[in-house]
Amino acid sequence: GQNIDQPTEMTATEGAIVQINCTYQTSGFNGLFWYQQHAGEAPTFLSYNVLDGLEEKGRFSSFLSRSKGYSYLLLKELQMKDSASYLCAVMDSNYQLIWGAGTKLIIKP
Amino acid sequence: ETGVTQTPRHLVMGMTNKKSLKCEQHLGHNAMYWYKQSAKKPLELMFVYNFKEQTENNSVPSRFSPECPNSSHLFLHLHTLQPEDSALYLCASSQAGEHNEQFFGPGTRLTVL
Repeated sequence: GQNIDQPTEMTATEGAIVQINCTYQTSGFNGLFWYQQHAGEAPTFLSYNVLDGLEEKGRFSSFLSRSKGYSYLLLKELQMKDSASYLCAVMDSNYQLIWGAGTKLIIKP
Repeated sequence: ETGVTQTPRHLVMGMTNKKSLKCEQHLGHNAMYWYKQSAKKPLELMFVYNFKEQTENNSVPSRFSPECPNSSHLFLHLHTLQPEDSALYLCASSQAGEHNEQFFGPGTRLTVL
């Protein structure tokens, strides 16, 4: 079966760095997406990785290792507005997105 | 402004009611999706339309019936739902293709009594 695993909840301090991990087992791989979802709002696109390595976009970076079936989202200089759920999704061989349950990130002052 | 709108934002219905959810995208996309999001569970893909043609139906019960009259509009018709169908229903759109990100609407929070 297809499976995406990520921690249910994480807590971090304002100004700090946090890493949210995602491991996956899917039938085929056509890229990995990270989305951010604030409570009561729509998920919004953060990043896309299809090749191994690190993609940096401002305070957010995303890493992929296809051989390990592993990705992480790195958030630097945390701000209170970063409190949200972070969803990991993998595009399988049928170009359908398989979603993780999301990681709720709580930022404390 | 995400470019994808959904109405209503909240809906409470009885098990014998018939209601419809509406989604509209203003992004010129040619693929549209319905997802179900339940608390602490992964997003569940329900239906996919590419160029107005349904291409995916992930074993969704027949009490959910989608309709895509054109590439900008998507409906989800609801009939004789069960309490376990209570969830957030999200609509998304994208350019049909392998690596194109999906843009989501704000969702309809559905409660079935």
